[in-house]
Amino acid sequence: GAGVSQTPSNKVTEKGKYVELRCDPISGHTALYWYRQSLGQGPEFLIYFQGTGAADDSGLPNDRFFAVRPEGSVSTLKIQRTERGDSAVYLCASSPRGTSGGALDTQYFGPGTRLTVL
Amino acid sequence: EDKVVQSPLSLVVHEGDTVTLNCSYEVTNFRSLLWYKQEKKAPTFLFMLTSSGIEKKSGRLSSILDKKELFSILNITATQTGDSAIYLCVTNSGYALNFGKGTSLLVTP
Repeated sequence: GAGVSQTPSNKVTEKGKYVELRCDPISGHTALYWYRQSLGQGPEFLIYFQGTGAADDSGLPNDRFFAVRPEGSVSTLKIQRTERGDSAVYLCASSPRGTSGGALDTQYFGPGTRLTVL
Repeated sequence: EDKVVQSPLSLVVHEGDTVTLNCSYEVTNFRSLLWYKQEKKAPTFLFMLTSSGIEKKSGRLSSILDKKELFSILNITATQTGDSAIYLCVTNSGYALNFGKGTSLLVTP
């Protein structure tokens, strides 16, 4: 399909383990965003990429979280030493132009990865 | 700190009813307000509003923004069971989206 895809759809891990979550944005979209949604809450911003660079990572909760987008397309969110509080749905979104498109640049969301840390 | 407050948090209606979902916001650098529908996991885009008083319509859904009073409403007429979802109000102050907690709508047959 032509939408944003995320893998895996579900990930169960043990406390202290390392996990990687993958996002494939819509082809040609320069901007990519990661959000985290805890139960009963709206999504919270984590990080925004414009091309290959992280334009804003102010939403990352701590240094256990890191994200890359080496070729300006696929992005990987990496979580080290997972904690139970990291359990959430991690949503990825992409938009055609990001800040170049200004506020009129619609973000399209993927189906998310449900992370459960036991 | 930017805030987006939605009400009600949950709502149960019968098929055919009309519903109004409310969203108020406080944003330091407001650019636009968006509504998303979330079923299962991925929010799907409904509307983007940037100007006050101009209604956006899509089928049975419509939305309007009041930038003076800092709120927006989403109306759904002749509701159907397929409208059951969480409706998210979101502000955009640059690129990162600020989400409200959502209104959970359940439409019963």
